[in-house]
Amino acid sequence: KNEVEQSPQNLTAQEGEFITINCSYSVGISALHWLQQHPGGGIVSLFMLSSGKKKHGRLIATINIQEKHSSLHITASHPRDSAVYICAVRDAGGTSYGKLTFGQGTILTVHP
Amino acid sequence: EAGVAQSPRYKIIEKRQSVAFWCNPISGHATLYWYQQILGQGPKLLIQFQNNGVVDDSQLPKDRFSAERLKGVDSTLKIQPAKLEDSAVYLCASRPRTSGGELFFGEGSRLTVL
Repeated sequence: KNEVEQSPQNLTAQEGEFITINCSYSVGISALHWLQQHPGGGIVSLFMLSSGKKKHGRLIATINIQEKHSSLHITASHPRDSAVYICAVRDAGGTSYGKLTFGQGTILTVHP
Repeated sequence: EAGVAQSPRYKIIEKRQSVAFWCNPISGHATLYWYQQILGQGPKLLIQFQNNGVVDDSQLPKDRFSAERLKGVDSTLKIQPAKLEDSAVYLCASRPRTSGGELFFGEGSRLTVL
């Protein structure tokens, strides 16, 4: 079993729909990152969370530390949101250097 | 603020040849990562530097891969000799603090081994 599991692996939506991508992890963490990767492009950090909820524009990220679960929500989705969304967790182990473990990514396609 | 710079963006080589990738992190970022991302998969850590010291290279195939970060600033990742399965995007990322801080990625270097 992977330490970081994302669901769904593939997601297709119509423009305007509300989208949720889930991330579950099995290790103790100090922080969780949500990342966005466009085809052929680099990776952009969307959020870094250690508790609660963050919002940026149409994007909302939540984390429940007790349940080891995080969600990324996109409200009023748009075709330009089409990308791979990756969850990554930072190790809370003895070192402070913060090893990152990545999920396999969720491929989101938003149709007009 | 300038982002993480990587070069080359694309490289095509034949198997058994060598290749080198360069990364210049954001100024002042102490932590630098090299990741390998094979098509359809999430990034896999190859090596993590803290300043010019190696923190984690447990997943680096040391028989063919090497990396250095002289002077604790820019870094080079080398593959020699390359194999077909090394075809991937090599991502460099940096972070400003040891135990916190946002992660910044470069555009990646796409390697195709024929």
